[in-house]
Amino acid sequence: GAVVSQHPSRVICKSGTSVKIECRSLDFQATTMFWYRQFPKQSLMLMATSNEGSKATYEQGVEKDKFLINHASLTLSTLTVTSAHPEDSSFYICSAASGGVGTDTQYFGPGTRLTVL
Amino acid sequence: GQQVMQIPQYQHVQEGEDFTTYCNSSTTLSNIQWYKQRPGGHPVFLIQLVKSGEVKKQKRLTFQFGEAKKNSSLHITATQTTDVGTYFCADFTGGGNKLTFGTGTQLKVEL
Repeated sequence: GAVVSQHPSRVICKSGTSVKIECRSLDFQATTMFWYRQFPKQSLMLMATSNEGSKATYEQGVEKDKFLINHASLTLSTLTVTSAHPEDSSFYICSAASGGVGTDTQYFGPGTRLTVL
Repeated sequence: GQQVMQIPQYQHVQEGEDFTTYCNSSTTLSNIQWYKQRPGGHPVFLIQLVKSGEVKKQKRLTFQFGEAKKNSSLHITATQTTDVGTYFCADFTGGGNKLTFGTGTQLKVEL
C-alpha cells in the first residue's frame, strides 16, 4: 500500500525558533499534499493544500507567512513553522493524494508532535 | 462554513457490546469517508460512501450513508479491544480533494 513518512516524529524547540517538518510519499508520486493540525482530543483541521510546483492554498485563519509550505517535488512537501510560540504546540499531520493510487484516497503520515517551550 | 458533528463524543463499552457513532453535517455531504485513529497514531482510511442510502460492510463494521446525504453512521458489532481509538467521519470534496473532518468519537473498550 501507499506509504507516507514524516520527519521528525517529535520535536521540542524554544519559543522564537523555526521548525521544518518534512512529508514524503515513499512509493508513489503525490501531486497534492495536505497539512493538518490536531490539538489534543480534537479533530484534524486542514491548514493548507500543497500542490507540486505551485503556491500552497491556505485555509481561512491560517497565516501563510507563519506556516511556510514548499512542495518542491512529487514526493516531498515541507512545512516550516516560523517564529514558533507555545500556542503552536500541536500534532502536525500530512497526507498525500495521487490520482494513480486512488483519487479519493488520502494517505496520512505518522505525524509530528511539536512542543514549543 | 460547513460543520460536521459526531455523537457521542466519547463511548465506553464492555467487550462484546455494540457501538455506533453518528455523523451529521450542516450541509449536504459530497462523499463521506471514515477513518480510525489509534491513540498516538494517525488516521487510517476505512471506507468511502458515495451514494445516497448506501450501506457497506467490513467484517464487524457497518457503514451507512443517509438518504439525504446529510448524515452517516458507523456501527461496530461485538466490539473487541482492538477497536479502541477515535473514529472520524470526513466529507470528501472531490473538486479540491479536501477533507473536512468530523469532531470524532472516542471509543474505549473494557474487558
